[in-house]
Amino acid sequence: DAGVTQSPTHLIKTRGQQVTLRCSPKSGHDTVSWYQQALGQGPQFIFQYYEEEERQRGNFPDRFSGHQFPNYSSELNVNALLLGDSALYLCASSLDERPRETQYFGPGTRLLVL
Amino acid sequence: AQSVTQLGSHVSVSEGALVLLRCNYSSSVPPYLFWYVQYPNQGLQLLLKYTTGATLVKGINGFEAEFKKSETSFHLTKPSAHMSDAAEYFCAVGPSGGSYIPTFGRGTSLIVHP
Repeated sequence: DAGVTQSPTHLIKTRGQQVTLRCSPKSGHDTVSWYQQALGQGPQFIFQYYEEEERQRGNFPDRFSGHQFPNYSSELNVNALLLGDSALYLCASSLDERPRETQYFGPGTRLLVL
Repeated sequence: AQSVTQLGSHVSVSEGALVLLRCNYSSSVPPYLFWYVQYPNQGLQLLLKYTTGATLVKGINGFEAEFKKSETSFHLTKPSAHMSDAAEYFCAVGPSGGSYIPTFGRGTSLIVHP
């Protein structure tokens, strides 16, 4: 059983560009959450998708947007990249959106903005 | 509002010694509490979680944590450290009701000496 997968593993962009990160959840999971982990920090919650809708959102600007597809996979889009967007972006999936459900994390996509 | 404080950005122990990683939280509603481990260049893996019921929670790899409401603490312990326990550990809190936006601590790096 494949766990959570993310692509690409690494990405280099320049300021002002746009980026799309992808996530496939663990088999049987229908809820996907995205996190940003800056160097030396804990993960920060960006948003959560369930039933193809954004259900919860953390304190991130509208430049951060997402999508969930009928097969439960998800994309994270970041527009107008800033140097401060450089981070490890983690995707996590769970059985449903209830907070007590265990989240399973992927290995992350490391984004460097120059 | 909720927050997590992990005391000590680095904790160093000898192999075979007791591991104690400290976590204090604040939450306006009864919390769900989590400990995650992150190995280099990997995503987060759940060690254990407290949702309801027994306040002493046992997790994987011999770790356990005790929820102490009066002290607003959820410290992680392991009786005997192994070299393989060297990693970054994150404590997280999430509200048990309403919107679920988890908050992570800044992490504690566990160093295990032979």
